[in-house]
Amino acid sequence: AQTVTQSQPEMSVQEAETVTLSCTYDTSESNYYLFWYKQPPSRQMILVIRQEAYKQQNATENRFSVNFQKAAKSFSLKISDSQLGDTAMYFCAFWVIGSGYALNFGKGTSLLVTP
Amino acid sequence: ETGVTQTPRHLVMGMTNKKSLKCEQHLGHNAMYWYKQSAKKPLELMFVYSLEERVENNSVPSRFSPECPNSSHLFLHLHTLQPEDSALYLCASSQEGNMNTEAFFGQGTRLTVV
Repeated sequence: AQTVTQSQPEMSVQEAETVTLSCTYDTSESNYYLFWYKQPPSRQMILVIRQEAYKQQNATENRFSVNFQKAAKSFSLKISDSQLGDTAMYFCAFWVIGSGYALNFGKGTSLLVTP
Repeated sequence: ETGVTQTPRHLVMGMTNKKSLKCEQHLGHNAMYWYKQSAKKPLELMFVYSLEERVENNSVPSRFSPECPNSSHLFLHLHTLQPEDSALYLCASSQEGNMNTEAFFGQGTRLTVV
């Protein structure tokens, strides 16, 4: 079974601070992609960042970066200089190459950014 | 707005009703998906269409019936639903069905079955 675990159902952070959302996953495959999606109150899922498992270098997108530890099967998301617009549900997901079309999602972490 | 539009945004239906959810994308993608999002559960993939052909059906009850008349439109026909089917239904699209490319999601239809 391929599963994703997000152990923090809810988190909060003050504006301008840094927060890290955790994600672990389980797969016996070696070729896969990892994703963080954001779902704001508007409900539209938006891709935040993507990481190829064969790349050792951690992906970054502006204020968003990941800490990818392949051996530990860990894929955490760091948000720097948090903004009020970062308030959303964050979902960790992965896709095994050749496994079909299903993205394996976690249950999500609800992040609240406070003034 | 990511280019994937779902209608209606909200739907309340009785268990004996028949309704349809609509999804439309004009991104030039050739794969479209239906996901079910229930509270406190991971997103569940329901159906996948690639090049207008259904390529994946994840043990979804027959009271959910998808239709993909062309590469830009996807429907989910609903009939004799149960209260446990109440959820957010998300449509997504991607290029060539490769999930390593970005999947674009709609804003979902919040369905309540009474």
